[in-house]
Amino acid sequence: ELKVEQNPLFLSMQEGKNYTIYCNYSTTSDRLYWYRQDPGKSLESLFVLLSNGAVKQEGRLMASLDTKARLSTLHITAAVHDLSATYFCAVNAGGTSYGKLTFGQGTILTVHP
Amino acid sequence: GAVVSQHPSRVICKSGTSVKIECRSLDFQATTMFWYRQFPKQSLMLMATSNEGSKATYEQGVEKDKFLINHASLTLSTLTVTSAHPEDSSFYICSARGLLPLAGVSYNEQFFGPGTRLTVL
Repeated sequence: ELKVEQNPLFLSMQEGKNYTIYCNYSTTSDRLYWYRQDPGKSLESLFVLLSNGAVKQEGRLMASLDTKARLSTLHITAAVHDLSATYFCAVNAGGTSYGKLTFGQGTILTVHP
Repeated sequence: GAVVSQHPSRVICKSGTSVKIECRSLDFQATTMFWYRQFPKQSLMLMATSNEGSKATYEQGVEKDKFLINHASLTLSTLTVTSAHPEDSSFYICSARGLLPLAGVSYNEQFFGPGTRLTVL
């Protein structure tokens, strides 16, 4: 059974600081996603990572994937208040369950002055 | 492109009634639709997977007689919560997966709807 674990689950950051959210998963997968969720809203797609060593950046967020370590990171650079949200990683299941996403627990990020 | 809608966005009902939630892919054909449930402060949990024209596949622990899923066309799936009770109150999110052209290459991605907030009194 595919398991996805994020840490930390809660992250309180000062504006301007850097931090990293980690996402570990238990079995081989061909793609990993990062999503953002604002309170009361659905998911907003941030990144999809398809191959080992993949790195994608958008604004102050950068995601990377190490398929050998089964680890993805979401790095936040010089945080601003607008980044406050819950961040989920999700991993695509393989085999007969291909296409099903298993989500991490989510990381609640709060950026304060 | 790749827009998924849900209706209604919010519903309040009395205990014992049934509620239908629609999920539509507006600009692509969804070969597969997924239904998720999210309780407050928790992650998304997959309830079921539906393929157009066939019966839905439910995840372990999800009652198929309580959560009826119909995927009658390539653009519409419905989730009916039958005899709803307060413990069914949750945020229900659908996603749709289909083939979308990207830079000349078709790929299979999943797009999420805006969610439906169900409150059962």
